Amino acid sequence: KAGVTQTPRYLIKTRGQQVTLSCSPISGHRSVSWYQQTPGQGLQFLFEYFSETQRNKGNFPGRFSGRQFSNSRSEMNVSTLELGDSALYLCASSSSGAKNIQYFGAGTRLSVL
Amino acid sequence: QQQVKQSPQSLIVQKGGIPIINCAYENTAFDYFPWYQQFPGKGPALLIAIRPDVSEKKEGRFTISFNKSAKQFSLHIMDSQPGDSATYFCAGGSNYKLTFGKGTLLTVNP
Repeated sequence: KAGVTQTPRYLIKTRGQQVTLSCSPISGHRSVSWYQQTPGQGLQFLFEYFSETQRNKGNFPGRFSGRQFSNSRSEMNVSTLELGDSALYLCASSSSGAKNIQYFGAGTRLSVL
Repeated sequence: QQQVKQSPQSLIVQKGGIPIINCAYENTAFDYFPWYQQFPGKGPALLIAIRPDVSEKKEGRFTISFNKSAKQFSLHIMDSQPGDSATYFCAGGSNYKLTFGKGTLLTVNP
């Protein structure tokens, strides 16, 4: 079974731009969660989607948004990028029967210049 | 507060030693406590996990000890190897959301 796939692996953007990150969950997993990882703040929960609906949201500004498609693939969007948005963005998927057992992808490394 | 406090920040042991990483949580709604291992340039990989109705769980060289009344849990790595050198994260889980500790950088010297 293929793992969680995130694309692209690396991105370089400038302040004010927007970016879209993509995540394909493990086959059969319908829940997709997103996390931001930085050296200072560690791993922080962004949001979680299930059946195309956002069910849970972390404490991030509205510039951070996401969506999920009918095939469970998910995208995350960050608008009006700031330098502090530079981070590793991680996607995790889980199955309905094991709600907190989350499997992570390798992440997208975003650098904002 | 829904923090998970993890200690120590870093740990150095010799090959064969038994590193112990500790975590304390506040949110009693957590119903799942996983440990993740992360190597540089990789995403976190699920190592071992425990539910609060169990006091200990072993998987290979990895053991979780869980104390529900103290709201604490710990990871023990038996017979540690240089290949175990990585960052380890504990977490508390509830409703598809994981709250992570800040991580422990483990170095196992040959």
